[in-house]
Amino acid sequence: DSGVTQTPKHLITATGQRVTLRCSPRSGDLSVYWYQQSLDQGLQFLIQYYNGEERAKGNILERFSAQQFPDLHSELNLSSLELGDSALYFCASSTRDSVYNEQFFGPGTRLTVL
Amino acid sequence: AQSVSQHNHHVILSEAASLELGCNYSYGGTVNLFWYVQYPGQHLQLLLKYFSGDPLVKGIKGFEAEFIKSKFSFNLRKPSVQWSDTAEYFCAVNADSGYSTLTFGKGTMLLVSP
Repeated sequence: DSGVTQTPKHLITATGQRVTLRCSPRSGDLSVYWYQQSLDQGLQFLIQYYNGEERAKGNILERFSAQQFPDLHSELNLSSLELGDSALYFCASSTRDSVYNEQFFGPGTRLTVL
Repeated sequence: AQSVSQHNHHVILSEAASLELGCNYSYGGTVNLFWYVQYPGQHLQLLLKYFSGDPLVKGIKGFEAEFIKSKFSFNLRKPSVQWSDTAEYFCAVNADSGYSTLTFGKGTMLLVSP
């Protein structure tokens, strides 16, 4: 157990819908990262928040957004869902915004869009 | 933008065989390098990392990796694999640019037969 929790574990929804994925970082970690893992693209960085502020953006679609709340949990919002959005979404957390601080990964949320 | 290539998508070995998983990255500047492992049903976890200094780094569970700057490579090795090493292995790169985000390869699935 990494100490990072993600809910829900599985999510099945239809095209065009909107979903919210939740991540609770390890206690005391200020930095949260979101990744998408799909068969064709592999594990891709989406977005990072540090202490409530957006810190870095990767290959995140405009239909996707995220935020980090004052209690440091983070949510990833996916809207106008398409079949191609089906993937495993991971969240990771680290103590600070530094590459020297290890990223600890959660178990992931498996999203299936039908 | 940097990219990471892992040449083998699937590797099958017998117990006690030696392992070498290839990883090449494309980035001309200073990099920080990582190998992560995902055991079946578990979260991603850090196996080893390289920031600077001795290019041969040792990680957990008997794994090691060698950074060869001239070849832009960071190959993972283990002299003798065990059945419990069955997992997916991901190489990751961070361009030393002040950001802590990681670019991952697509992963190599290792199956060790007893």
